[in-house]
Amino acid sequence: AQTVTQSQPEMSVQEAETVTLSCTYDTSESNYYLFWYKQPPSRQMILVIRQEAYKQQNATENRFSVNFQKAAKSFSLKISDSQLGDTAMYFCALMYSGGGADGLTFGKGTHLIIQP
Amino acid sequence: DTGVSQDPRHKITKRGQNVTFRCDPISEHNRLYWYRQTLGQGPEFLTYFQNEAQLEKSRLLSDRFSAERPKGSFSTLEIQRTEQGDSAMYLCASRLGTGSSYEQYFGPGTRLTVT
Repeated sequence: AQTVTQSQPEMSVQEAETVTLSCTYDTSESNYYLFWYKQPPSRQMILVIRQEAYKQQNATENRFSVNFQKAAKSFSLKISDSQLGDTAMYFCALMYSGGGADGLTFGKGTHLIIQP
Repeated sequence: DTGVSQDPRHKITKRGQNVTFRCDPISEHNRLYWYRQTLGQGPEFLTYFQNEAQLEKSRLLSDRFSAERPKGSFSTLEIQRTEQGDSAMYLCASRLGTGSSYEQYFGPGTRLTVT
């Protein structure tokens, strides 16, 4: 069974600061994908960034980047120059990519608040 | 709007009643997923379809739950004899079954309240 753990229920930073959200996971599979999804208040979930486990290079998308430590099973999200619109629930998720089991396993989420 | 849509957005029902939700995926997506999200938790996987075939069901999907995707397009999720513990947000997602993206696109969800 796969598990995803987000140990920070809530974080609050000032606008323009950099913030890092933590995620650890456990899986016995070697082929998998990791994702960070954002769920703004009363709005649908959208993908922020993804990482293929076979790639050593950390993924980046504009102000968002990850620190993927495969041996430690750690997948943190860094948001640079945070903006008010970044306020949302952030979910770390894992998906086995070997075929068959295809659903995402999510963590409990981190509520990120960007203060003006 | 070419995103994933869900109907209804909100449903209030009395315990013991049956409810049905609908999901319309992005038109070219052949994979469709259902998740349940309770307050303060991340979404939990329920089931998924590739075209019209239901390929995987979670243990969370009790025998009161049934999902269909009859023509490989829209999907329905039915809950029979609802219980208060069924109160949750039910999310639908879809993605292409080919390619390397693996990104699932989510709908806005159906919030179910069982009284």
